[in-house]
Amino acid sequence: DAKTTQPPSMDCAEGRAANLPCNHSTISGNEYVYWYRQIHSQGPQYIIHGLKNNETNEMASLIITEDRKSSTLILPHATLRDTAVYYCIVRVGGNMLTFGGGTRLMVKP
Amino acid sequence: NAGVMQNPRHLVRRRGQEARLRCSPMKGHSHVYWYRQLPEEGLKFMVYLQKENIIDESGMPKERFSAEFPKEGPSILRIQQVVRGDSAAYFCASSPPLLRGSYEQYFGPGTRLTVT
Repeated sequence: DAKTTQPPSMDCAEGRAANLPCNHSTISGNEYVYWYRQIHSQGPQYIIHGLKNNETNEMASLIITEDRKSSTLILPHATLRDTAVYYCIVRVGGNMLTFGGGTRLMVKP
Repeated sequence: NAGVMQNPRHLVRRRGQEARLRCSPMKGHSHVYWYRQLPEEGLKFMVYLQKENIIDESGMPKERFSAEFPKEGPSILRIQQVVRGDSAAYFCASSPPLLRGSYEQYFGPGTRLTVT
């Protein structure tokens, strides 16, 4: 599975949009982009995934560049409960998830 | 629809004892994954199972660790003769049958193993 690069940490003001970037320049054609988050010591939580097109669900939006070498997870109105470590993972469906360092998002009041 | 269940949530074992961790996948899910998270580290894949089959155990230590997912009942991760270095959070995830080449994994709350 392709490797990803994320900033180690980011801050966001409560109520503002949080935009979390991810680089995956070696992604191959059959690999999906997945986003998970881990709040404190809880089990990771699935957020969203996509292949080529932008995706939106009740939690977030995923913007994938046309060349698929990078993506951005958008939390439209961040709350204090969104403070977590966010992981961007690219993989072929069915394979295990390979967690990197992720981005530690701190939402501040 | 209940999520992924893991028990026990906390487990304390003395060195040399056995630890058994259980995972019940979400209803309709036939794939189970186990991950380990050492203190202050990221999650590491251990093993991937389907009903009665081990699909990928490349992340599991060769000795003392075993996993199964029987036809009936939960998936079990067994650690024999535990050592202090086995102290960690063990997470189980499940996913539905493959659909359109991708499927997400849903995680349980984890079992925190402490070896004294």
